[in-house]
Amino acid sequence: DQQVKQNSPSLSVQEGRISILNCDYTNSMFDYFLWYKKYPAEGPTFLISISSIKDKNEDGRFTVFLNKSAKHLSLHIVPSQPGDSAVYFCAASEDSNYQLIWGAGTKLIIKP
Amino acid sequence: KAGVTQTPRYLIKTRGQQVTLSCSPISGHRSVSWYQQTPGQGLQFLFEYFSETQRNKGNFPGRFSGRQFSNSRSEMNVSTLELGDSALYLCASSLGQLADTQYFGPGTRLTVL
Repeated sequence: DQQVKQNSPSLSVQEGRISILNCDYTNSMFDYFLWYKKYPAEGPTFLISISSIKDKNEDGRFTVFLNKSAKHLSLHIVPSQPGDSAVYFCAASEDSNYQLIWGAGTKLIIKP
Repeated sequence: KAGVTQTPRYLIKTRGQQVTLSCSPISGHRSVSWYQQTPGQGLQFLFEYFSETQRNKGNFPGRFSGRQFSNSRSEMNVSTLELGDSALYLCASSLGQLADTQYFGPGTRLTVL
């Protein structure tokens, strides 16, 4: 049973437009959420996080939104750039547990 | 500051063999986590070590084991390799507190023939 789901294996977006990556979770005990980005032949790198006490966190072109009632979070990238082409993973954890639970990833392709 | 390093980067083994992968965390990091990545499955958590103790364990069979040394370096061992063990194995280090950012190494690509 996947507790963190990224239902879109891939997403293609025009350069300059907004990219929206989605993530759903089933465990209501999750209270900390992260997004990581992964380029081929490299390990994932941390992008942005949000705790359950907030519903939005912004860092430059990246904004993460959290909807606790829907158990849904999304990552918005505005404007999208070619260097944003990568696989994006969302991950979640409980306050009492150090273990991160990961989604399967969404491959984002930014078209020039 | 040097990043997380993993050796070897690529490995080819045959079924039934065993393999040991190594991970050197960022200096000062006390937590090392291991993950298996296969296409379409995301990152599957194997285990996490903190101060030489296994603090968390995922749902992998006992063929997968690990350990951490006093300098925080960690090794992962897989015995009696199966074809399905072919994957990218990633390790990540962090300071070890809740919600600390994990920093990943480049991974070891294991192919089992």
